[in-house]
Amino acid sequence: EIEMKQSPATLSVSPGERATLSCRASQTLSNNLAWYQQKPGQAPRLLIYGVSTRAIGIPARFTGSGSGTDFTLTISSLQSEDFAVYYCQQYNNWPQFGQGTKVEMK
Amino acid sequence: QVQLQESGPGLVKPSETLSLTCTISGGSISTYFWSWIRQSPGKGLEWIGYVDYSGSTNYNPFLKSRVSISVDTSKNHISLNLSSVTAADTALYYCARDLYYYDSSGYPGIAFDIWGQGTQVTVSS
Repeated sequence: EIEMKQSPATLSVSPGERATLSCRASQTLSNNLAWYQQKPGQAPRLLIYGVSTRAIGIPARFTGSGSGTDFTLTISSLQSEDFAVYYCQQYNNWPQFGQGTKVEMK
Repeated sequence: QVQLQESGPGLVKPSETLSLTCTISGGSISTYFWSWIRQSPGKGLEWIGYVDYSGSTNYNPFLKSRVSISVDTSKNHISLNLSSVTAADTALYYCARDLYYYDSSGYPGIAFDIWGQGTQVTVSS
């Protein structure tokens, strides 16, 4: 089983600032890493798949990068609607999620 | 626009079988894989398994002995059965459409591009 560790657990950011979220896998992955955003009372929303491909309708301020065991989601200029919990997810043998990073307003 | 709606009992007794249905509207069940995913405070997001339109399945190895997922193309829905439930199975259960892709290295990947709103299931006597 691959463990997916996200850091930090909570990130305090002011609107307009850049947010950088990390996801580290316990084993080397191919480039099948995805990112989701979840707001309270809602299902997760796919943002990025294949490490860096934005899903349909996702704004360009969301950027995914990384390889091997270390992956990053960057939100270039945080908007008010971006405060949420973010999850990474890999697919090696079966889909597995990280435990999430909460992006809160500073 | 494809929409997914989960339905089923909100309360299940320990040792019994949890049964849920996910109805797909606005699109065909064919061509895609469809997954069940659950979310709980203790375990976070956990993939349970998927089924395709032909009935082929793949399950989380940690749940495989208790899980069965099926498809009914005539009704455009998929079903989840989870047997011998305990309190640890209490969670918000989602169905989701699988986005199957090949990454830049040519390896297959699965992400989940459309989700239902989820249905809460509590295991308690």
